[in-house]
Amino acid sequence: AQKITQTQPGMFVQEKEAVTLDCTYDTSDQSYGLFWYKQPSSGEMIFLIYQGSYDEQNATEGRYSLNFQKARKSANLVISASQLGDSAMYFCAMRPYYGGSQGNLIFGKGTKLSVKP
Amino acid sequence: GAGVSQSPSNKVTEKGKDVELRCDPISGHTALYWYRQRLGQGLEFLIYFQGNSAPDKSGLPSDRFSAERTGESVSTLTIQRTQQEDSAVYLCASSLGLDLETQYFGPGTRLLVL
Repeated sequence: AQKITQTQPGMFVQEKEAVTLDCTYDTSDQSYGLFWYKQPSSGEMIFLIYQGSYDEQNATEGRYSLNFQKARKSANLVISASQLGDSAMYFCAMRPYYGGSQGNLIFGKGTKLSVKP
Repeated sequence: GAGVSQSPSNKVTEKGKDVELRCDPISGHTALYWYRQRLGQGLEFLIYFQGNSAPDKSGLPSDRFSAERTGESVSTLTIQRTQQEDSAVYLCASSLGLDLETQYFGPGTRLLVL
């Protein structure tokens, strides 16, 4: 069965510091995509970054980078130079390449990040 | 160039009543997804559409839940005879296709069943 594990229910980081949010996954599929979403208190899910299982380079999008270690089945999100507006819930998600049987995303339980001024 | 929109944004209903939630995907997106998020939890997949076809309805939690989609446009999620455990945020997402296209989410409908 496919599963996403986020072991950090909550994290604190000082403004302007970097922070790493952990994500491990379990799948028997050879091809899959990994996603990170941000959910502020307003509730909307905001797409941050995507990593394909066959991508050799780690994905980067501005201050976000994904530390992809395929052999360890981990896809940690690194946020550099944290800002107060980064305070939110962060969800790691996975999706098989051919949509598996459903095409849906499988989500972890999330990590609540709080940025301290 | 709007994103995914959902209505209503909030819905309070009494136990036993039916509710209908609406989702307007991004124009041109053929795939549409419904998820449920209970308070403090991650997202739980309910159903997806490719066009107006829903190949797999096994994610729906009970036969009180149904969904339909008109062409590659609006989708409605209907919950009949609502129960208190149905209280959650219902999120809709759309993507260009079913493969590894990014899913873009709407703001959700917050449903409270009294």
